[in-house]
Amino acid sequence: EVQLVESGGGLVQPGRSLKLSCAASGFTFSNYYMAWVRQAPKKGLEWVATISTSGSRTYYPDSVKGRFTISRDNAKSSLYLQMNSLKSEDTATYYCARHAIRGSFDYWGQGVMVTVSS
Amino acid sequence: EIVLTQSPTTMAASPGEKVTLTCRASSSVSYMHWYQQRSGTSPKLWIYETSKLASGVPNRFSGSGSGTSYSLTINSMETEDAATYYCQQGSSYPWTFGGGTKLELK
Repeated sequence: EVQLVESGGGLVQPGRSLKLSCAASGFTFSNYYMAWVRQAPKKGLEWVATISTSGSRTYYPDSVKGRFTISRDNAKSSLYLQMNSLKSEDTATYYCARHAIRGSFDYWGQGVMVTVSS
Repeated sequence: EIVLTQSPTTMAASPGEKVTLTCRASSSVSYMHWYQQRSGTSPKLWIYETSKLASGVPNRFSGSGSGTSYSLTINSMETEDAATYYCQQGSSYPWTFGGGTKLELK
């Protein structure tokens, strides 16, 4: 059974940093592109970052480019999201997701809440 | 960036009723994916590559479309189908989602 379990969320002040982790199990982690997708309270979904199987290629939307860094450790079947210079608009539930065909996301974690507030 | 506009934003349907949700793209895309999100839970891939049902999805659901216009149809609404449905394009970066359609039971 595929499982994705996020951790590391919490309350952080604007301008500070936070690092999220995602522990994957139930599949060969190193064979899949992985991603982070977020959802602000009562809002829709927003793709945040994607990383290739080896970690050599990463992709971001303009809203987080230069502030967020996605990385992975295939030996530990783990995905990470380093978030710097956080803003109030980064407040959201962050989901770890596995990429499937044609850019879709076929498995999602339960999500972790990040609140950016002073 | 390709903007996806879903309509309606909210709707209610009675058990047994046929339901159609629409997703329009600001530029042509090659395919569309759909997700179901029930209240308080994570999204689930529901339909991929426009018309293929994800594992475990009942066959009362179907997807269709091309270019800039796509739809998700439920042949006969059931209680468990009440949820928010999001479309998503994977044709070009940045990958984008629609704003969602909240489907309620009447």
